[in-house]
Amino acid sequence: GAGVSQSPSNKVTEKGKDVELRCDPISGHTALYWYRQSLGQGLEFLIYFQGNSAPDKSGLPSDRFSAERTGGSVSTLTIQRTQQEDSAVYLCASSRRRGSYNEQFFGPGTRLTVL
Amino acid sequence: AQTVTQSQPEMSVQEAETVTLSCTYDTSESDYYLFWYKQPPSRQMILVIRQEAYKQQNATENRFSVNFQKAAKSFSLKISDSQLGDAAMYFCASGAFGNEKLTFGTGTRLTIIP
Repeated sequence: GAGVSQSPSNKVTEKGKDVELRCDPISGHTALYWYRQSLGQGLEFLIYFQGNSAPDKSGLPSDRFSAERTGGSVSTLTIQRTQQEDSAVYLCASSRRRGSYNEQFFGPGTRLTVL
Repeated sequence: AQTVTQSQPEMSVQEAETVTLSCTYDTSESDYYLFWYKQPPSRQMILVIRQEAYKQQNATENRFSVNFQKAAKSFSLKISDSQLGDAAMYFCASGAFGNEKLTFGTGTRLTIIP
């Protein structure tokens, strides 16, 4: 079946603009995660959705970052008033259910460049 | 809280040889998992191998195996018979049971020399 997909693949924007990044998880996966990968760094957790539960937003770096997940499927990560330090690859992952061990399947990421 | 440290930014190995990538971690969790992910230039993160902390036996997946030293909080990855397709960034990660977010190290870039 299809894997996790993300769009756009690359996004170039000007400082101060808002951007929206999209993630389509694997069908049937109830958990969805967003991570940020800055140059030369590992992946940094941003936010986690599980079913209809309140999301875990503990990794969001500032109130300029927000995310939503509609209908328990597609998710959108929004960054308002982008700054140059927001430049990074944003990776989305999904997994089947909460609890026990569940492999996270990653999408190809969106490379965001803020000029 | 969890931390993961990879002290080797870059490694290289001759094709068909064996290479070991190092990883140390720290966690306050009693029930946790450890992972090695591979990230080729396509950016797609691929799970290579995982280890449940409660298992004493080291995990193996074909040419990939780990050396899990729980007391030392060490989790190294051994790649045997290295192939050109193994060239990638390798990330060590940890996750706790019931706490879904993964904590990643900064990665090791592996180069395979033909």
